[in-house]
This record gives sequence, C-alpha cells and structure tokens, in this order.
Amino acid sequence: DTAVSQTPKYLVTQMGNDKSIKCEQNLGHDTMYWYKQDSKKFLKIMFSYNNKELIINETVPNRFSPKSPDKAHLNLHINSLELGDSAVYFCASSQDTGIFKLDFGQGTRLTVV
Amino acid sequence: AQSVTQLGSHVSVSEGALVLLRCNYSSSVPPYLFWYVQYPNQGLQLLLKYTSAATLVKGINGFEAEFKKSETSFHLTKPSAHMSDAAEYFCAVSDQRSNSGYALNFGKGTSLLVTP
Repeated sequence: DTAVSQTPKYLVTQMGNDKSIKCEQNLGHDTMYWYKQDSKKFLKIMFSYNNKELIINETVPNRFSPKSPDKAHLNLHINSLELGDSAVYFCASSQDTGIFKLDFGQGTRLTVV
Repeated sequence: AQSVTQLGSHVSVSEGALVLLRCNYSSSVPPYLFWYVQYPNQGLQLLLKYTSAATLVKGINGFEAEFKKSETSFHLTKPSAHMSDAAEYFCAVSDQRSNSGYALNFGKGTSLLVTP
C-alpha cells in the first residue's frame, strides 16, 4: 500500500481553468503538507494542516485553497490557473507538527497551457 | 528562518569513487537536518536525518553524513558510488513557520551524475 498517494499524477489544463489535486495518507499521521517544486527543482512549503486545522499558510495567491476533510486527506484546489502555476506539487505527511521526518507522495505534475 | 545552502548544483563522479555532497546550514537554534533523494519523476525519499543525537548519522543505501557544529556543515558521503545513485539530492532543515507549525526548508539540490 502506498503511504502517501496523490491523484492525478499528471494534469494538463488550459489557463483560466479550475483544478484539484487530492492527497491521502495511510500512515496515521496528524500533519500534512503541500509543497511546490518549480522548474529548477526548488521545493517550497505552501500549506500545512494538523488534524484538519490550518497551521502554516505561506505567501501564495488566494487562487490556491487547501482543504482537509479529515486528518488523512489534504486536497489542493486551484482557481483560474495561470502559466506560472506549472510545477510539480508534492503532498507530504509527518507524525506530528514537530517534523522528525516527512513522507512524500509521488507528486502531481501540473502543466498549464 | 533556518536555511541550508548546497554547494555545487551538479556533481559528477566515476562509479566506485567517493561521493561527497556539501550542505551548510544557518540556524539560530540546534538544527534538525535531513538529506533526501529524488529519482526522476518520483517523490522524495529520506536518506538520513540528524536530530541532535550522534553526530555521525548512517542512512540507507550506504550513505552517511556528519554534523559539524564548528563548520555549520552536514555533508553527505558514500565511499563508493553506484550507477543507481544518480539522482537529485536535497539537504533540508526543520524551521518553525508558525506558532504551531514546522516545515522543512530545502536547499536548491545537487544533481549527482555517476559515470562508468
């Protein structure tokens, strides 16, 4: 069983569309994250939830909205997609907020055309 | 904010040679440090972590790293490179981003090429 799974793995869409990426973890972790990896492979934290509560909200456009229906799921919805949103988005989880280890999903490669 | 700097965006070694990937950290508190590996089109996999126990940390696939406070370094080494080690390697440090939240801050990555 995959520990942290994201869907879809690839997403190609047109500018202006709205899309969602889903993430689920079966590790029993309390904390989940969204990271963005740009074309130069730089990884940057976007959001973090602990047991459904938003605890990290970095400076990202309001078009990005995370949602955590329960502590095993964290989704990312993006409105009005722009070319610059093209990137690989990684979901990750950790046991708790202290970060002794992050487990990553396989990533979702988003291409906006 | 805690940060890490990886020296060398590309490192090339011959198969069987020593692998040395450099990472220096900047932290106002004792840091928690990590090395992750990313194979093409895959997620990140933890190689090893330092959480203030032993300064020499052994990880998976024969990698190890030594925490040196005097040099603010956490370099990754492997005695003998394999072709399968070719990948992107990321150093990271744990950083408090809110009253109740920590995140990992990553370096810019080092691409390791292994030649026959």
